[in-house]
Amino acid sequence: AQSVTQLDSHVSVSEGTPVLLRCNYSSSYSPSLFWYVQHPNKGLQLLLKYTSAATLVKGINGFEAEFKKSETSFHLTKPSAHMSDAAEYFCVVSDPGYGNKLVFGAGTILRVKS
Amino acid sequence: NAGVTQTPKFQVLKTGQSMTLQCAQDMNHEYMSWYRQDPGMGLRLIHYSVGAGITDQGEVPNGYNVSRSTTEDFPLRLLSAAPSQTSVYFCASRRGVSTDTQYFGPGTRLTVL
Repeated sequence: AQSVTQLDSHVSVSEGTPVLLRCNYSSSYSPSLFWYVQHPNKGLQLLLKYTSAATLVKGINGFEAEFKKSETSFHLTKPSAHMSDAAEYFCVVSDPGYGNKLVFGAGTILRVKS
Repeated sequence: NAGVTQTPKFQVLKTGQSMTLQCAQDMNHEYMSWYRQDPGMGLRLIHYSVGAGITDQGEVPNGYNVSRSTTEDFPLRLLSAAPSQTSVYFCASRRGVSTDTQYFGPGTRLTVL
């Protein structure tokens, strides 16, 4: 079965410092991986996705993630946090071997301090 | 395009009442799905549809029904509401395969008393 583990439920950084949100996945086939962001009381927006092309994926708002098959990881990074980055982030896995259904991690709440 | 729309935005029900959450998309997407979001649990798949007339169960289908008579609409029915169904519900759609971007509606916040 496919699954996603987000290693931190809360991350707090200062504005201007790097962001690292950690995600490990489990999948028996060749997964697609996504990061979504949810701002308070809003719907979910796609940040970036990995679909078996380049392992380093660049997304919107300066975020990027690297697919590491040997470590089964897909960590999300950003060089310099902005106040507007404060939100909840979800790592998501999808695999054609499991009917193309998306499986979500529990989420990481990012707090950005001024 | 309006994208994915959901109504209502908020709803309060009493235990045992029934209701339908509406979802519509204008992107001609084949794949539509319903999720519920609970604190600390991410989003969990309730039901999904790969096209008009085809639906299937997700991870947490009990207490919910769906139908897909048109490509555009995918309503979610609560048959007899229970307090355990208090949650935020999101409808989503995507063109087809798992690598396509999934678009989410704004959500419906449901409280069952």
